[in-house]
Amino acid sequence: GQQLNQSPQSMFIQEGEDVSMNCTSSSIFNTWLWYKQDPGEGPVLLIALYKAGELTSNGRLTAQFGITRKDSFLNISASIPSDVGIYFCAGQPGGSQGNLIFGKGTKLSVKP
Amino acid sequence: DTEVTQTPKHLVMGMTNKKSLKCEQHMGHRAMYWYKQKAKKPPELMFVYSYEKLSINESVPSRFSPECPNSSLLNLHLHALQPEDSALYLCASSQTTSNNSPLHFGNGTRLTVT
Repeated sequence: GQQLNQSPQSMFIQEGEDVSMNCTSSSIFNTWLWYKQDPGEGPVLLIALYKAGELTSNGRLTAQFGITRKDSFLNISASIPSDVGIYFCAGQPGGSQGNLIFGKGTKLSVKP
Repeated sequence: DTEVTQTPKHLVMGMTNKKSLKCEQHMGHRAMYWYKQKAKKPPELMFVYSYEKLSINESVPSRFSPECPNSSLLNLHLHALQPEDSALYLCASSQTTSNNSPLHFGNGTRLTVT
């Protein structure tokens, strides 16, 4: 089946640093989504991308839908302690009837 | 606060028990989902309901039985579960199952099977 490669698996950064993570796929997706999950909670939608080349920001977060439709990245600028959590990318292939393919997640730790 | 509400937050059940997980959304979404998430893993799709009809069953064992009584409610009935079924069960909803309808998740039910 389709798989997403998400990297890095984990990151340990200093408060104030910028963060970048990405997802790649062997097949084309029509939608890319980025979620953040805190312990004991469900994933929260951060950014949704619907068109190849689309660049979207949400506060300090910026994500892009790759031009080949097989990749996406998420950048976080000037990280703060509450950015700690697990970030998941998720893609929807065409005709997926709502089925999301998730990456394995990037665990972000921020040192104050 | 999430707009998808799941109850209970925690559930402990024995292997012979019957229990139900409940999910509710009032966003007018017509697609609802059950996902299972094991520790340190991404969510895995179990079921998709579209306009109150089951449209995807990802080969889930029959001890899990979904039900969609109306467009706002989604239940997951549990019977004769195994300890390996212990996980976080997430409900999600979206406007439709089309590609421009992102999923919104609830906070899950943490299930422990003893």
